[in-house]
Amino acid sequence: ETGVTQTPRHLVMGMTNKKSLKCEQHLGHNAMYWYKQSAKKPLELMFVYNFKEQTENNSVPSRFSPECPNSSHLFLHLHTLQPEDSALYLCASSHSKGERGGYEQYFGPGTRLTVT
Amino acid sequence: GDSVTQMEGPVTLSEEAFLTINCTYTATGYPSLFWYVQYPGEGLQLLLKATKADDKGSNKGFEATYRKETTSFHLEKGSVQVSDSAVYFCASRGTNAGKSTFGDGTTLTVKP
Repeated sequence: ETGVTQTPRHLVMGMTNKKSLKCEQHLGHNAMYWYKQSAKKPLELMFVYNFKEQTENNSVPSRFSPECPNSSHLFLHLHTLQPEDSALYLCASSHSKGERGGYEQYFGPGTRLTVT
Repeated sequence: GDSVTQMEGPVTLSEEAFLTINCTYTATGYPSLFWYVQYPGEGLQLLLKATKADDKGSNKGFEATYRKETTSFHLEKGSVQVSDSAVYFCASRGTNAGKSTFGDGTTLTVKP
């Protein structure tokens, strides 16, 4: 248990569906992240939020839409996905840059997404 | 930009063998360095870290020393167990960086 929870743990969706992934952290962090982890590929950073503001978007297609309503919650809204979007989606949190404290990230267990 | 290069895998060892996974980094300034481990079906979790040159991070029998002169942070363990089978990621983060930089991961399999 790392203090970061993700729901659902598994999701199967069709290409025309709309779904959302949820992440919650109870560590008092002000930075949150979405990563995509595909088989045989490096970990891909998708989005970064600091103090609820998006500070990084790594050229992610618009069919992925993040939302960060407060520093404890992060969502990833999905619509009209493609089969190649099937992957493990990991959420993480950490102290924000410039804050005191370690810079390690705490990861959730991930959501295994399958697009059919 | 910052980058982290780690030894390509997969690595297969027998139980009680010595483990080294190499990691080198490029960064401006003096980043903090980390090793994360990912067990099957789970997210990444911090294994150990070092925040300044010559620091040694250690946990669960694993060790890594922050070597500024060689820009390296190699992971070692004297005697691996089957339960150490996992993917290991080296990472760096500068004090002014909003994100960490990860290596590609090294898959370790330990056979009984």
